[in-house]
Amino acid sequence: QVQLVQSGAEVKKPGASVKVSCKASGYTFSSYVISWVRQAPGQGLEWMGGISAYNGNTNYAQKFQGRVTMTTDTSTSTAYMELRSLRSDDTAVYYCARETAVGSYYGMDVWGQGTTVTVSS
Amino acid sequence: DIQMTQSPSSLSASVGDRVTITCRASQSISSYLNWYQQKPGKAPKLLIYAAYNLQSGVPSRFSGSGSGTDFTLTISSLQPEDSATYYCQHSYSNPYTFGQGTKLEIK
Repeated sequence: QVQLVQSGAEVKKPGASVKVSCKASGYTFSSYVISWVRQAPGQGLEWMGGISAYNGNTNYAQKFQGRVTMTTDTSTSTAYMELRSLRSDDTAVYYCARETAVGSYYGMDVWGQGTTVTVSS
Repeated sequence: DIQMTQSPSSLSASVGDRVTITCRASQSISSYLNWYQQKPGKAPKLLIYAAYNLQSGVPSRFSGSGSGTDFTLTISSLQPEDSATYYCQHSYSNPYTFGQGTKLEIK
């Protein structure tokens, strides 16, 4: 079945970096965009950006430009999201999601289970 | 950035009720609007894409409408399993912002 499986929970100190992985299975990885969305405790959803698994083109939200790097490894069907210079307000559940397209319209139809990242001194 | 505003922020309804959630964009987004359902501790689930298209496997009691700046998610006959938080999201331009969410409770 189509699924995205994310890496486990992380605890980091302020100023550190975290790299979350998202392994895809059950579909042709290179045919889709992988987006990353985060959710702070008790808060709503925040789109961080996306990466084309076909050509590696990235589309980052301005808020995260310079601090985030999204990559893919097509040999293992895995996407990665690295966030640097972590702050306490980066504490959140980070989700990867597959973007499916119908014409020019996109929606995130398959989601990972989420990775909890806790930033604390 | 395009701001997405949902109303109400929360509501309580009974099984069998017709429920409507609205989402307003700060500028026209054509039909680039998706709706998601999220239950506690779970990842969001895509319900509606491109404003009114029902995602495969989603019950037909869910429907979406609207274009431009004003959109609606309707549940025609509320079921107990519909208790969740609902989010709209646009995919018109970077960043693809979400609404703040509407928490739906069953009376």
